[in-house]
Amino acid sequence: QSALTQPASVSGSPGQSITISCTGTSTDVGYYDYVSWYRQHPGKAPKLMIFDVNKRPSGVSNRFSGSKSGNTASLTISGLQADDEADYYCSSYTSIDTLVFGGGTKLTVL
Amino acid sequence: QVHLVESGGGVVQPGGSLRLSCAASGFSFSTYAMHWVRQAPGKGLEWVAFIRYDGSKKYYAESVKGRFTISRDNSENTLYLQMNSLRAEDTAVYYCAKTYTSEWGFDYWGQGTLVTVSS
Repeated sequence: QSALTQPASVSGSPGQSITISCTGTSTDVGYYDYVSWYRQHPGKAPKLMIFDVNKRPSGVSNRFSGSKSGNTASLTISGLQADDEADYYCSSYTSIDTLVFGGGTKLTVL
Repeated sequence: QVHLVESGGGVVQPGGSLRLSCAASGFSFSTYAMHWVRQAPGKGLEWVAFIRYDGSKKYYAESVKGRFTISRDNSENTLYLQMNSLRAEDTAVYYCAKTYTSEWGFDYWGQGTLVTVSS
C-alpha cells in the first residue's frame, strides 16, 4: 500500500487560511470515511486534529476542518496562528485492513 | 488523565530482537483497540500494527509482517510489540496509540521509545 500523497510544504500568513490535500485511491480515502489528520510539533508526539473525515475531537479549535471529495481529503486551517506551524499528516484505513499515512506536510506560518 | 508510556527501546544489532511495552492508564484499556506507529529519524509516520480490544484481530504492515508480533495483556493494561530479525530500516521512534471512536483513528499517543538497529 503506497503512502497517501500530501504536498511537502505549505505556508500562510497569520490570520489567513490554508488547505492541505491528501490524495489516496479508491481502496482507501475514496472508499472509507476513516480519514484522520494529525499535527506534530518537533520532538513531540502527534496530536489528533480531525477524525472520520470531518469530525473534531473535543478541545480542538473550530479553526480546523476536514472534508473529502473522491480520493482526496483536505484539511483546512483558518485564522492561522504561530502555533499552527508544524508537520501535518493524514491517515486512512485501507481495504486490506491496514492504515496508511501521508508523507507529511510542513506548514510554515510566515 | 490518559497516559501511555512506552519502554524497551535501545540499540540492537541487525538480526536481533527487542520487546517493546506500552503501559496504559487513565482509561478502560480492555475496551479499546491499540496500534503501534513508528517514525524513522527525520521521516514521516509509518503504521506498524493493530490489535483489537480483546486481541481477537491483529493486522500488520507488510514491512514487518512475519517479524513483528503485537500482543496485549488486559489484566496488566499493557500493550507489547515483539520485534525479531531486526533490520537497519527498523530504526525509528516507536509510538503506541490509543484508538478513538473508530479502530483507525488515535486520540492519545505515548512519548515514544527509540529503537536503533546498528552493528
